[in-house]
Amino acid sequence: EVQLVESGGGLVRPGGSLRLSCAASGFTFSTYSMNWVRQAPGKGLEWISYISSGSTSIFYADSVKGRFTISRDNAKNSLFLHMNNLRDDDTAVYYCASDRRSGWPDNFFGSWGQGTRVEVSS
Amino acid sequence: EIVLTQSPATLSVSPGESVTLSCRASQSVHNFLAWYQQKPGQAPRLIIHEASIRATGIPARFTGGGSGTDFTLTIGSLEPEDVGVYYCQHRGDWPLTFGGGTKVEIK
Repeated sequence: EVQLVESGGGLVRPGGSLRLSCAASGFTFSTYSMNWVRQAPGKGLEWISYISSGSTSIFYADSVKGRFTISRDNAKNSLFLHMNNLRDDDTAVYYCASDRRSGWPDNFFGSWGQGTRVEVSS
Repeated sequence: EIVLTQSPATLSVSPGESVTLSCRASQSVHNFLAWYQQKPGQAPRLIIHEASIRATGIPARFTGGGSGTDFTLTIGSLEPEDVGVYYCQHRGDWPLTFGGGTKVEIK
């Protein structure tokens, strides 16, 4: 069974930093592209970052570009999101999501974790 | 950036009725469109990809259609467990974007 388990969320002050992790199991993590998607309280879904299976391609939404860094460790079946210079509007539940298929990605999100909550507040 | 506009914002439907949700793209995304269901308190779940292909385990009452800029998701006979918010998402270009969602309620 595919499992994605996020961790690392919490309360942080504006301007602070946080590192989110996503532990993957039940599938061959190293062959899947991965993404982070967030959802602000009471709002819709926002894709924020993509990383290819071998980390050769990385993309960000403009809202986080220059502040967030996505990375992965295929040997440890783990995905990360380093978040710097956090702002109030980064408050959200952050989901890791795998591509629907292995190998060549189709950029649809086939499996999702349950999310980790990040609150940015002074 | 490709903008996806979903309508209506909310639908209130009786069990057993058919319901159709709409998603319009600001430019053609061909058939590179997916639909997700998010039940209250849960993570989203993929239900349709490539505009019309049901994801694994999705009941046949869910039907996706359309291409180019106009897409629909039809729930053929609404079940109580279908309540939630439905989002469309394109993969036509970066950034990937979602529509604002349509909330489906039971009347």
